[in-house]
Amino acid sequence: EAGVAQSPRYKIIEKRQSVAFWCNPISGHATLYWYQQILGQGPKLLIQFQNNGVVDDSQLPKDRFSAERLKGVDSTLKIQPAKLEDSAVYLCASSLGLQIVAGGPYEQYFGPGTRLTVT
Amino acid sequence: RKEVEQDPGPFNVPEGATVAFNCTYSNSASQSFFWYRQDCRKEPKLLMSVYSSGNEDGRFTAQLNRASQYISLLIRDSKLSDSATYLCVVNRGGATNKLIFGTGTLLAVQP
Repeated sequence: EAGVAQSPRYKIIEKRQSVAFWCNPISGHATLYWYQQILGQGPKLLIQFQNNGVVDDSQLPKDRFSAERLKGVDSTLKIQPAKLEDSAVYLCASSLGLQIVAGGPYEQYFGPGTRLTVT
Repeated sequence: RKEVEQDPGPFNVPEGATVAFNCTYSNSASQSFFWYRQDCRKEPKLLMSVYSSGNEDGRFTAQLNRASQYISLLIRDSKLSDSATYLCVVNRGGATNKLIFGTGTLLAVQP
């Protein structure tokens, strides 16, 4: 079974530029998550989709970050304009539904992430 | 105060040692609990769920104490391949089942 796909894997931009990340979840997974992981910290949820609707975006800096999930499948996360403190790994994850259980079909799976460096 | 607190380590242990990680959480309404493993420059992967009754998976044992809001992970007979960061994760529950990750504890198993 194919995993969560993300692109690009690495991106270097200057501050004030814009950048976009793409995520393709596991087929059939209704729930999609975008996390930000700063070096030395655990992942922080930015936004969570259930199909094509947003269920949680409370920690998304909406003045510069935006995300959409086209037709309830692929998703893009955009930053415009980027700041130095946005340097992080952006992880996309998906799960069958909102309930997460280890060792079964309801696990949450992460993609490899996009490593963003803002200079 | 962070919602999920972990000792960042590093824990440097010899092969074959037993090592224990602890985690505390502040939201008493949290509903489910997990340990994730994250290798260097890789994505997190779900290791195991944590239950009040305790659960074991091979050399790994996880335990939850709801009264103390405390979660533990015990690794017996450590292997070199166990070297990774172990993330304590709490599900707030509610309408979104939002996962809150701790900062992780770094384990380095030495030959």
